[in-house]
Amino acid sequence: DAGITQSPRHKVTETGTPVTLRCHQTENHRYMYWYRQDPGHGLRLIHYSYGVKDTDKGEVSDGYSVSRSKTEDFLLTLESATSSQTSVYFCAISDAKGRTYEQYFGPGTRLTVT
Amino acid sequence: QKEVEQNSGPLSVPEGAIASLNCTYSDRGSQSFFWYRQYSGKSPELIMSIYSNGDKEDGRFTAQLNKASQYVSLLIRDSQPSDSATYLCAVRPSGSARQLTFGSGTQLTVLP
Repeated sequence: DAGITQSPRHKVTETGTPVTLRCHQTENHRYMYWYRQDPGHGLRLIHYSYGVKDTDKGEVSDGYSVSRSKTEDFLLTLESATSSQTSVYFCAISDAKGRTYEQYFGPGTRLTVT
Repeated sequence: QKEVEQNSGPLSVPEGAIASLNCTYSDRGSQSFFWYRQYSGKSPELIMSIYSNGDKEDGRFTAQLNKASQYVSLLIRDSQPSDSATYLCAVRPSGSARQLTFGSGTQLTVLP
């Protein structure tokens, strides 16, 4: 988890409320990702960023938006949280190390929507 | 259809044995392959990456890649109880640049 932090680490919120999760890196990596992990589904990509203000959708982007105004920060917003968004959310970073783009993960945020 | 398949397990091996974890993928053009270890309640940790056919060894870990069979495996020699975790296989499909597709993971238990 070195160089990657996520906040908050745990959050309980009510259906219909907006929620923002933050990922912060100190590695100056260009690429940042948001995943969710659910039993039976593994890690699924929500959104990713390939630079400041450059983002794109992943496999399960509905109901989520992202923003990246600085290299070090990547925000994930649930505009109106639903119970199906209860999950563990991981941020990851990567860079063109030998063009391998290995991804490294943050510690995760456990989100519960009641 | 799931693009990366792993046996969910659980897989149990005795301490000191070789643990063999397997992964198959559907995209024949995939170029990069990764193994992550994830302890319960923790985040995935990269342990091995492999890009060419054959074997790659790092300590007690050996990754094996066979692109013709679309198969990648991870061998853990001299398994220790501390190796008990879920192992995730990840593949970078052709055309997806920096994205990875993950399997659902294999849960490994090493019995003392």
